[in-house]
Amino acid sequence: AQRVTQPEKLLSVFKGAPVELKCNYSYSGSPELFWYVQYSRQRLQLLLRHISRESIKGFTADLNKGETSFHLKKPFAQEEDSAMYYCALNAGNMLTFGGGTRLMVKP
Amino acid sequence: NAGVTQTPKFRVLKTGQSMTLLCAQDMNHEYMYWYRQDPGMGLRLIHYSVGEGTTAKGEVPDGYNVSRLKKQNFLLGLESAAPSQTSVYFCASSWYAGGLDEQYFGPGTRLTVT
Repeated sequence: AQRVTQPEKLLSVFKGAPVELKCNYSYSGSPELFWYVQYSRQRLQLLLRHISRESIKGFTADLNKGETSFHLKKPFAQEEDSAMYYCALNAGNMLTFGGGTRLMVKP
Repeated sequence: NAGVTQTPKFRVLKTGQSMTLLCAQDMNHEYMYWYRQDPGMGLRLIHYSVGEGTTAKGEVPDGYNVSRLKKQNFLLGLESAAPSQTSVYFCASSWYAGGLDEQYFGPGTRLTVT
């Protein structure tokens, strides 16, 4: 069965510091991974997907099949990055979400 | 476009009571999903639908039923509510299956069962 693990429930950094939100997965098939974000009082929304190899709001994520990881990174955190972040894995007709990491960026 | 809407926003039930949560989307999406969100456990899929008239079980389907009589609506029912069903419920929809396409989420329904 597929599984997504986000080992940190809370990550607190200062503005301007680098950020790395960890995501590990287990899946027997070819993985398709995503990061979703939920800002305060807003809906959950897609941040980025690995197949697009894009940078959104300064965030990037690289799929490492050897380490079965899909960590989300940003070189310089901003206060507006404070939110709940979820890593998700596509498994057929459904997404499997990790437990989420709350990122707090302090001024 | 309203996107994905959910009714009601909040509800308090007593153990054993029943209720239906309504999800509506105006994007003509084929796929719809119901999730529950609990602290530390992320979102867990309850049921989903791949098209009008179809439903399928997700990860945590017990105690819930669903129906998709119209393409734009996906109903989640609790026949006999239990305190363990206290949660925030999210509906989502997408053009394609699972993660092949972006899922669009509703604002959530906060349910408390006492």
